[in-house]
Amino acid sequence: DTGVSQDPRHKITKRGQNVTFRCDPISEHNRLYWYRQTLGQGPEFLTYFQNEAQLEKSRLLSDRFSAERPKGSFSTLEIQRTEQGDSAMYLCASRSGSAGSPYEQYFGPGTRLTVT
Amino acid sequence: AQSVSQHNHHVILSEAASLELGCNYSYGGTVNLFWYVQYPGQHLQLLLKYFSGDPLVKGIKGFEAEFIKSKFSFNLRKPSVQWSDTAEYFCAVNGGSQGNLIFGKGTKLSVKP
Repeated sequence: DTGVSQDPRHKITKRGQNVTFRCDPISEHNRLYWYRQTLGQGPEFLTYFQNEAQLEKSRLLSDRFSAERPKGSFSTLEIQRTEQGDSAMYLCASRSGSAGSPYEQYFGPGTRLTVT
Repeated sequence: AQSVSQHNHHVILSEAASLELGCNYSYGGTVNLFWYVQYPGQHLQLLLKYFSGDPLVKGIKGFEAEFIKSKFSFNLRKPSVQWSDTAEYFCAVNGGSQGNLIFGKGTKLSVKP
């Protein structure tokens, strides 16, 4: 169990550029979540995958955001035409689908995005 | 809509003081409750969780929390804090079908040595 990893850890981009983040969940976890955290707030849910299927998207996930999880392994989150309001920490979490600990999520270190 | 309220934004304590951080949630159905901790420069880690059964749950590092259903509360406690407990603490609830967590805004705890 190497934990949830995210890449890059930091990203600085100019307004209008596209960015893509990657998340590698714990290998046996089939459920994967993306959250966004801004200063002074707790993490807010963005989207959820079970295996390769994206089953839920928050209203926070505008049309400029897209997420994928090909083959049910790693996931990517892309933001097109970034805006300054997109500056935040983007967190990935995963959990097992088994009945042992059904709702315990394990978080990665996050990708801090700064849009200038 | 589900929500989580954490009453204290920033708590400052001296070492050996007792700690209680408040958390209230709004959700009418069966809930699973969590406290996560984020130490400086580290990622979110699970401190403790409540699914069912004994409403007093014990977590890592001497922390415990009590689920009081009638008050919709899940307060975090520790009898004697240490400098190493300096961190941000987040209460979260999961009541949705897909398992996503709803977090409070967090409470920053500063422990003075």
